[in-house]
Amino acid sequence: AQSVTQLGSHVSVSEGALVLLRCNYSSSVPPYLFWYVQYPNQGLQLLLKYTSAATLVKGINGFEAEFKKSETSFHLTKPSAHMSDAAEYFCAVSERGTYKYIFGTGTRLKVLA
Amino acid sequence: EADIYQTPRYLVIGTGKKITLECSQTMGHDKMYWYQQDPGMELHLIHYSYGVNSTEKGDLSSESTVSRIRTEHFPLTLESARPSHTSQYLCASTPTGRNSPLHFGNGTRLTVT
Repeated sequence: AQSVTQLGSHVSVSEGALVLLRCNYSSSVPPYLFWYVQYPNQGLQLLLKYTSAATLVKGINGFEAEFKKSETSFHLTKPSAHMSDAAEYFCAVSERGTYKYIFGTGTRLKVLA
Repeated sequence: EADIYQTPRYLVIGTGKKITLECSQTMGHDKMYWYQQDPGMELHLIHYSYGVNSTEKGDLSSESTVSRIRTEHFPLTLESARPSHTSQYLCASTPTGRNSPLHFGNGTRLTVT
C-alpha cells in the first residue's frame, strides 16, 4: 500500500534561513503529490501540488517543491523563513485511479527570531 | 476563506450521547471525506462519498456513520460517544477529476468526558 514518510516531526530554523521539509513516498508509479499547511485551530490549506507537468513546483507564500522520481521524494523548500511560516506541514499523495489521499504524519516548523 | 464549513468548531459532550458533526460545501464537489486527526499522527480516513447516496467506510475502523442526501451536505454521526472518540475531525471535498487537491474545513474538535 502507498505510504508517505516525513522525516523530522519537528524542525526549527532561524528567521531568514532556508526551510527544508522532507517527504518520501513509496509508490513505484509516481502518484499525485501535495503539500498542505495547517495553522493552529484551522484545517489544512493547499500549498502546492505536483501533477507531472514540471518537476519543480511553485506554491503560495514563497514555497516550492521538487519532484525526484529516482529518490521518490517531494521535499518542500523556502529560501528564507518568515515568522509567519510557523505551522504544521503535511505531505500527501493521491494514488492514480483511486479515491485515496494518504497523508504523512506532519512536520511542525518553528521559526526562531 | 473556506468554502467548506464545519459546525460546531468545538464540542464537549458526555459519554453515551448521540452527536452529529455537520459539514457543508458550496463548491459543488462530488467527492467528500471525513478524516480523524490526532497530534503527531497522519490523518486517518474514516468515511468518504463519491456523490449523492454513495458512502463508504475508510481505512480507520469507526463507530460513526455518514449520509449523503444532498451534494453539499455530508454529516457524521456518533450514536454513542466514548472518550476514545476525543479527537479533531476534518471534513474535505474535491471535484471529480485527476489530481484535484482536497479542500478542508476548519475542523471540529470533539472532547468526550
